[in-house]
Amino acid sequence: DAEITQSPRHKITETGRQVTLACHQTWNHNNMFWYRQDLGHGLRLIHYSYGVQDTNKGEVSDGYSVSRSNTEDLPLTLESAASSQTSVYFCASSDGGRDRGIVNHQPQHFGDGTRLSIL
Amino acid sequence: KQEVTQIPAALSVPEGENLVLNCSFTDSAIYNLQWFRQDPGKGLTSLLLIQSSQREQTSGRLNASLDKSSGRSTLYIAASQPGDSATYLCAVRAGGGNKLTFGTGTQLKVEL
Repeated sequence: DAEITQSPRHKITETGRQVTLACHQTWNHNNMFWYRQDLGHGLRLIHYSYGVQDTNKGEVSDGYSVSRSNTEDLPLTLESAASSQTSVYFCASSDGGRDRGIVNHQPQHFGDGTRLSIL
Repeated sequence: KQEVTQIPAALSVPEGENLVLNCSFTDSAIYNLQWFRQDPGKGLTSLLLIQSSQREQTSGRLNASLDKSSGRSTLYIAASQPGDSATYLCAVRAGGGNKLTFGTGTQLKVEL
């Protein structure tokens, strides 16, 4: 079965370190998303991509970056981890066309999340 | 800016009861609305997707309705079971593209 996997599931690191969270999907979806989930805020969009070599900033993108070198992967990098970035991170994907002007009506599928603690 | 609100934040009901979860959004210009379920320590599982042109969607014991003009959606769960215990999230897709704006969820507990 096609799926979306995140790794690691849990990570503890120190402030100032660079951290990369992996997201891999086997649906061949064009669209991929990174969210963070915090108590009282719900899920907030960090970055998203509509296809290879395409990346876009979301609502809370400061301190994060992504790259899309192939269809299957969208790694999320914290350039210099801060305690405020302690959170649960979710990756999602959805089917859709490469033209970002086309509205996509397909549901988003989520990974199981990465719990990141920054001390 | 789109804001999505879910009330109540938590709900506890006895097994077998029918229940309604509420979702409201401030900007009615949405393309669709999606209901998710989240179990502790897990990701989100898509339950129902309602397009802006639709009034409701059904899947088994779940029925979701959408009133776009009033900015409201409800998720109706019939004959609730302990296995329905989870956090339920609604999310709207608005504007161009595929970005979702989420509510903060309703934590449901169904007791034996």
